[in-house]
Amino acid sequence: AQKITQTQPGMFVQEKEAVTLDCTYDTSDPSYGLFWYKQPSSGEMIFLIYQGSYDQQNATEGRYSLNFQKARKSANLVISASQLGDSAMYFCAMRDSGAGSYQLTFGKGTKLSVIP
Amino acid sequence: GAGVSQTPSNKVTEKGKYVELRCDPISGHTALYWYRQSLGQGPEFLIYFQGTGAADDSGLPNDRFFAVRPEGSVSTLKIQRTERGDSAVYLCASSPQWAEGYNEQFFGPGTRLTVL
Repeated sequence: AQKITQTQPGMFVQEKEAVTLDCTYDTSDPSYGLFWYKQPSSGEMIFLIYQGSYDQQNATEGRYSLNFQKARKSANLVISASQLGDSAMYFCAMRDSGAGSYQLTFGKGTKLSVIP
Repeated sequence: GAGVSQTPSNKVTEKGKYVELRCDPISGHTALYWYRQSLGQGPEFLIYFQGTGAADDSGLPNDRFFAVRPEGSVSTLKIQRTERGDSAVYLCASSPQWAEGYNEQFFGPGTRLTVL
């Protein structure tokens, strides 16, 4: 069974600094996808970044980058130049790319607070 | 274009009552997912539709939960004999027809269900 672990319930970061949110995963499937979502207090899940298990390079999307270490089964999110609007819950998720459902398995999330 | 919409945004009901939650996906998206997010947790998969059929309902907690998507667009999640433990935010997501690799799921704002 798939499992996502986010060990940081809460994180604080100074505005304009970089922050790393940890995510480790467990799967027996060689083909999978890893996602990060942001959930502000309004509740909507906002897609941030995606990394495929066979992608050779780490994914980047603007201020977001994913530090993918396949051997360690980790997919940490790095947010550079933090902004006050980055304060939210962040969820790491995985999708099994094998046959069947394409559901996402989520971690418990990390609450990020950006300090002015 | 319009995103995923869900109605109602909030639903308060009494224990033992029947409720229906509606999801209107992005036009043209053939895949539709329901997730449930309890307080302090990440979303948990309930059911996945590809077109009109439920391709995977392995996440439904028991037979009080049922979902339909009769015309391959709007979906309704139905909960019979509600229990206090059903209180949660119910999230709907849709995505284009699945293809190998990246396949983002677009989430709606959720329905907050409270069972008294």
